[in-house]
Amino acid sequence: DIQMTQSPSSVSASVGDRVTITCRASQGIGSWLAWYQQKPGKAPKLLIYAAFSLQSGVPSRFNGSGSGTDFTLTISSLQREDFGTYYCQQANSFPITFGQGTRLDIK
Amino acid sequence: EVQLLESGGGLVEPGGSLRLSCEGSGFTFRSYGMTWVRQAPGKGLQWVSVISGSGGSTYYADSVKGRFNISRDNSKNTLFLQMDSLRVEDTAIYYCAKSAGRGYVYGWEFRGQGTQVTVSS
Repeated sequence: DIQMTQSPSSVSASVGDRVTITCRASQGIGSWLAWYQQKPGKAPKLLIYAAFSLQSGVPSRFNGSGSGTDFTLTISSLQREDFGTYYCQQANSFPITFGQGTRLDIK
Repeated sequence: EVQLLESGGGLVEPGGSLRLSCEGSGFTFRSYGMTWVRQAPGKGLQWVSVISGSGGSTYYADSVKGRFNISRDNSKNTLFLQMDSLRVEDTAIYYCAKSAGRGYVYGWEFRGQGTQVTVSS
């Protein structure tokens, strides 16, 4: 199985800050990576697919990059509504696997 | 608007069975792969199973293989998860999701509220 490791596990940042979350796959997955945002008590929301493609309706301040084993989700200018837990997910092969999550708090 | 409505969760004793349902609307149901993902209390997301648009291909996580069965009725726009031999560790919120594109590589759209499954004596 492909293991997905996210860092950091948690981050606290201020409105307007640039925030970066990284995700590393235990083996190469090409560009088959998705990012999700989950708020407490809610279902996950797809933000990015195929490593850098923005899902329809997602603000352009969310940016994905990377390929192979190393990927990054960047929020260019943090907004108050961006709090929550972020997960990466590899879509290269079964079983589908998720990272352990990165909790983002707003200072 | 894409909508998914999960149902069928509840409290069941270890060794028992439940059948989850997920009704889709707002899209051509038969054209998209569907998946189940679960989340144990206070934990992260865990993939459970996936089924192709036609229903002809299915995949399972090792932790549920042989106990869970995914299926779909495209005439009723409904996805199912038959869960047998349930264990305490199956306790979680179960979400269904629609593939964001054709195939399985474009991520998953979660458009429901999930259904709670609790396995306890």
